Amino acid sequence: NAGVTQTPKFQVLKTGQSMTLQCAQDMNHNSMYWYRQDPGMGLRLIYYSASEGTTDKGEVPNGYNVSRLNKREFSLRLESAAPSQTSVYFCASHQQNGGNTGELFFGEGSRLTVL
Amino acid sequence: GENVEQHPSTLSVQEGDSAVIKCTYSDSASNYFPWYKQELGKGPQLIIDIRSNVGEKKDQRIAVTLNKTAKHFSLHITETQPEDSAVYFCAAAGSARQLTFGSGTQLTVLP
Repeated sequence: NAGVTQTPKFQVLKTGQSMTLQCAQDMNHNSMYWYRQDPGMGLRLIYYSASEGTTDKGEVPNGYNVSRLNKREFSLRLESAAPSQTSVYFCASHQQNGGNTGELFFGEGSRLTVL
Repeated sequence: GENVEQHPSTLSVQEGDSAVIKCTYSDSASNYFPWYKQELGKGPQLIIDIRSNVGEKKDQRIAVTLNKTAKHFSLHITETQPEDSAVYFCAAAGSARQLTFGSGTQLTVLP
């Protein structure tokens, strides 16, 4: 049982390049999330999907787009990467539709550096 | 929206001593308060949570207390061990029903 799987684990981009972070969960969870983690700032929500077919903005959505491809997969796209998007990105999943009163299951993270 | 403040940012304790991490929140409608542990190179993992209808919850060496009047909650780890060394995050689920995380505490347990 893999849980939440993120790819790639590491990526270096040049300013202006685009890329997609992939996330898949095998727990049949309804909700999926993308967070970014920066030193001294905790985890900040970028986008979430409360259920298949829906997506909503979180606290820091600018510069990102997401796609809930199916119930298992939720991707995060950077269309034109900027140095300010250098961060560690975490995907997470949750059993409930929306709401967040219960355990979040996190992937191991994707470390992105934008030069 | 919800604002969660966490203190201290770093904490060093001797093995066997207790560690306390404190968080405050701003949204009086918040009703769910989890704590996550993040080991180096890993994603955060839930270690304990508490809901607003409970004042204290304990699980072996870990306990969480909640004071809704003062809008603060704390994590207590007793008899600390080297494997407790990690980054700990508090969080609160406010009226927007999404978790807001604190900035994290790096706990180091010294042998």
